[in-house]
Amino acid sequence: GDSVTQMEGPVTLSEEAFLTINCTYTATGYPSLFWYVQYPGEGLQLLLKATKADDKGSNKGFEATYRKETTSFHLEKGSVQVSDSAVYFCALSESTGRRALTFGSGTRLQVQP
Amino acid sequence: DVKVTQSSRYLVKRTGEKVFLECVQDMDHENMFWYRQDPGLGLRLIYFSYDVKMKEKGDIPEGYSVSREKKERFSLILESASTNQTSMYLCASSLLGLASDTQYFGPGTRLTVL
Repeated sequence: GDSVTQMEGPVTLSEEAFLTINCTYTATGYPSLFWYVQYPGEGLQLLLKATKADDKGSNKGFEATYRKETTSFHLEKGSVQVSDSAVYFCALSESTGRRALTFGSGTRLQVQP
Repeated sequence: DVKVTQSSRYLVKRTGEKVFLECVQDMDHENMFWYRQDPGLGLRLIYFSYDVKMKEKGDIPEGYSVSREKKERFSLILESASTNQTSMYLCASSLLGLASDTQYFGPGTRLTVL
């Protein structure tokens, strides 16, 4: 079945550091890929998405590129802020079959001033 | 903006009680979902619905049932709550159920079963 693997956290960075959170996936078809973010005490919200190979999703300074050859969708940001502290989830949705998301286990990011 | 609301942020119940978790969305979305969030496991799909009165099991449906009598409302039911159902429950909705659709999440209900 489908699965998403992302790096374990927590990840602790200083403000203005470069961020990479790795995400790889296994899927039978041609999935759409997502990064969701969960700020403390809140539900999940979409950060960015990519729907086909080589697409780049971007939002709020975060970027991720859909790499079909390496089945990866790594999240990057050039300069993190304290306000980026949250839990980040990589997820996929298959192009056929059920319409729900398959999530990774989440990576907690803590940015220190 | 899409708004997904859940009836309670925190809930404490006793083992064996019947528990109802309610979810309402205000954007006429076709699809609604219930997930369970546990540390280290991410979110796991319990049930989803792609139309009124339609439902499908997700990955962990045991011990749960759902009801969707109206398009905007999707209820999760724990017939007889057990301590291993202590968790965070998240409801979500999406417009058409396409793979590329964004899912919109509610704030979650943290359920504790004693």
